[in-house]
Amino acid sequence: KNEVEQSPQNLTAQEGEFITINCSYSVGISALHWLQQHPGGGIVSLFMLSSGKKKHGRLIATINIQEKHSSLHITASHPRDSAVYICAVRYYGGATNKLIFGTGTLLAVQP
Amino acid sequence: DTAVSQTPKYLVTQMGNDKSIKCEQNLGHDTMYWYKQDSKKFLKIMFSYNNKELIINETVPNRFSPKSPDKAHLNLHINSLELGDSAVYFCASSQDPRSTETQYFGPGTRLLVL
Repeated sequence: KNEVEQSPQNLTAQEGEFITINCSYSVGISALHWLQQHPGGGIVSLFMLSSGKKKHGRLIATINIQEKHSSLHITASHPRDSAVYICAVRYYGGATNKLIFGTGTLLAVQP
Repeated sequence: DTAVSQTPKYLVTQMGNDKSIKCEQNLGHDTMYWYKQDSKKFLKIMFSYNNKELIINETVPNRFSPKSPDKAHLNLHINSLELGDSAVYFCASSQDPRSTETQYFGPGTRLLVL
C-alpha cells in the first residue's frame, strides 16, 4: 500500500463544475504539495501546505494534519484544467526535502 | 529564462548503451533532485544533492550515477541501459534540503530503451 493515496484516480467533469480531489497519507509529514502535470508532461507546483488552507485563483487546497488528509478544489472548472494532479508529502523531521508522491488523479474537463 | 532545464528532451537508445542526461538550474538553489516517472505516471525520488554533496540515494541500481560539477548542475549517467529504464526522468531544485519552499521541476527527459 502506497504511503500517499489519492482519490479518485480518474475524474471527468463538465465545464463549470466544482471539483474535489482527495489525498490521504499514512506517515508523519512536515508539508504537503499539490502538483499539476499537463498532457505535455511538465510538472508545476500549485501549493505547499503545512496547515489550514491556501487559495490561488480558482484553486483551493486544504489540509487536516490530525486526519492526515488534504483536498484540492477547483471552482468553475475549465477544459484547460485538464491535467494530472499529484499529491506529494515531505517526511516530518527528515533531514532532507524528500518527497513521497501519490499516484495522481487524471482530470478531464469537458466543454 | 528557463528556471530548470534538461537535455536532451527525448532520448531513444539501444539496450546496453551508456547515456547521460543533463540538468541545470538558474535559480541559485542549493539542492537538486532526480526523479523517475514510470509508465503508470508514478514519480519516485532517485537522488538528491545539496551543494554538490549526495544527500539522498534511494534504492537505485548502481548503473545510475549522478554527478554534480557545481551546485547549478546535476547530471545523470546511466550505464548498460535496460528496457526497464524507459521512463521520464525529471530534475528538480529547491532552496535547501529542509526548505519549506517549493520544488521547481524541469521539463523532463523521455528515455526509451529499445
